[in-house]
Amino acid sequence: GAGVSQTPSNKVTEKGKYVELRCDPISGHTALYWYRQSLGQGPEFLIYFQGTGAADDSGLPNDRFFAVRPEGSVSTLKIQRTERGDSAVYLCASSLEGASGELFFGEGSRLTVL
Amino acid sequence: DQQVKQNSPSLSVQEGRISILNCDYTNSMFDYFLWYKKYPAEGPTFLISISSIKDKNEDGRFTVFLNKSAKHLSLHIVPSQPGDSAVYFCAASHYDKVIFGPGTSLSVIP
Repeated sequence: GAGVSQTPSNKVTEKGKYVELRCDPISGHTALYWYRQSLGQGPEFLIYFQGTGAADDSGLPNDRFFAVRPEGSVSTLKIQRTERGDSAVYLCASSLEGASGELFFGEGSRLTVL
Repeated sequence: DQQVKQNSPSLSVQEGRISILNCDYTNSMFDYFLWYKKYPAEGPTFLISISSIKDKNEDGRFTVFLNKSAKHLSLHIVPSQPGDSAVYFCAASHYDKVIFGPGTSLSVIP
């Protein structure tokens, strides 16, 4: 498809387990963003990439969260030792460089930690 | 510290009337301001933006106003339609980092 693709759309896991969420951006988009959205809240910034490098990772809540984008396209958000408080919708977005904030979002990956 | 604030969690408007959604920000370094619209079970979609050097931008039924001295922006929708019912997020960007507000849920009543 032409849009941002996120997999899985739903993930249920147990406390303490490791989780990977994948994002496939729009072809040609150099910037890629990860956000976390809890119920009734706005998207909370986690990290964004320009190409392969993380341009700003100041939103990652702690060292259990890590994201990579090794070839400048697909990105994976990795969460170690999941906690119940990690339950949220994880949104990925991509954009052209210098797009001044105009992001294209995927439908999100809903993570539930039991 | 919430840099982008939307103090009204919800708003209800009659079809055909004007909807006004408000947003305040704290960081004077933001250079673009944006509005996104979100339907349930979908990702947010870009609606309209404004550069910090302008005070108004219009696109069809949607107009965004920026008051830099007050660090305030608003989105006007005229006339409101039932299909406009959604959650609206205000966002602000600086060097491509985009920060979102908590959202306002708009209901347009037929």
